[in-house]
Parts: sequence; C-alpha cells; structure tokens
Amino acid sequence: EAGVVQSPRYKIIEKKQPVAFWCNPISGHNTLYWYLQNLGQGPELLIRYENEEAVDDSQLPKDRFSAERLKGVDSTLKIQPAELGDSAVYLCASSTEFGELFFGEGSRLTVL
Amino acid sequence: DAKTTQPPSMDCAEGRAANLPCNHSTISGNEYVYWYRQIHSQGPQYIIHGLKNNETNEMASLIITEDRKSSTLILPHATLRDTAVYYCIVIGFGNEKLTFGTGTRLTIIP
Repeated sequence: EAGVVQSPRYKIIEKKQPVAFWCNPISGHNTLYWYLQNLGQGPELLIRYENEEAVDDSQLPKDRFSAERLKGVDSTLKIQPAELGDSAVYLCASSTEFGELFFGEGSRLTVL
Repeated sequence: DAKTTQPPSMDCAEGRAANLPCNHSTISGNEYVYWYRQIHSQGPQYIIHGLKNNETNEMASLIITEDRKSSTLILPHATLRDTAVYYCIVIGFGNEKLTFGTGTRLTIIP
C-alpha cells in the first residue's frame, strides 16, 4: 500500500515569492492534516480536513497561507508571499482511525 | 489535552531494552496516551497507544501506571534504526488534534 506522498521534497525560494506543496493521502483516508515543523521542534497543526471540509484551521495564518482539498482526496498548501520565517518542513498526514496518523516525508522549504 | 513531560535525550546500548518515560500528571479519565517517533528527515511514525491497560505490538510495549499519571514506552531490543525522536502525546477521544512537544531524542549506541 502506498503511503502519503508529498511534493516537492525540497524547495528554495526568495522571500515574497509564492510556493505550493502537494499531498496525496493514503487511499480511503478521509482525514487529512497539514503540519508545520520548525527545526528542533515537534510538528504543529496548521489545518485538518474531513473529506473536503476544513474542520480545524485555527492555526493557519490566513493572511498568507491557504489550503484546499478538492474532491476530498489530494490537497494543496500555498504560501503567498513567503517570508523568511516560513522556512520549515511542511508535513502532510492522513488517517482513518482516531489518533493514528500516517505522515509523508515532508516538504522542506528554505526562504532566502 | 493534558501536558506531557519527557527527558530531552537518552542513550541506550544496541540490543538492550530502551525505556522511555513520560509524565502526564494532569491526564483525565477519557484521554489516551499515544507514542510516535520521528527518524531523521522523515515524518513521524505511529508506534502504540493505550488508555489504562498495558499494550504491546510488534514495535513496542506501553506500560501505564495505575494512576495513569505516567507511562513508559519500551523498545525490547533496541537497534541502530531505533535512533529517533520519540513523542508522548495525550489526547481525548474526539479531539483529533495531536499536539507534539519536543520529545525525547533516543540515541542507540553500537
């Protein structure tokens, strides 16, 4: 069974540029999460989807971050414009059972 | 959700049992204890969870004290591939929001 797939694996951009990350969850997993992980810290939840509905986006900085999950499968996380402080790893996860999340390898963003 | 406290780092000799402690003194009756680990440059991986009984699976054992204020994750025969950051998380059923702390960095020594 394929795991959670994320792309790109690495991205380097200059500040003020836009960037997008893509996530393909495990087939059949209705719940999808985007997490942010800064160096030396644990992951922090940005947004959670149940099918195509964002049910928890309280931690998503909506002035520059946006996310969508069309058709309740793949999801895209966008940052526009990127700032230096956005440099981090962006993790996508999916689940079908409470508490048991399957994470992708993450997308490492460097903003110069 | 209850706050957890873990030591920042631990070492364990290869082949020995690794015992990772977690304090969660404010845990409430309907909250579960979950353990995840994160190997370098990978996403976190689910290990095991429990409510009040001890649990065992192919990866590890989870021992929860009778008062549920602390727990221990046991890796019975640690290998070099078990070197990772281990996160102890307490979450109430239906919350759906796993909150990761800074975890314990476990280093397996050859």
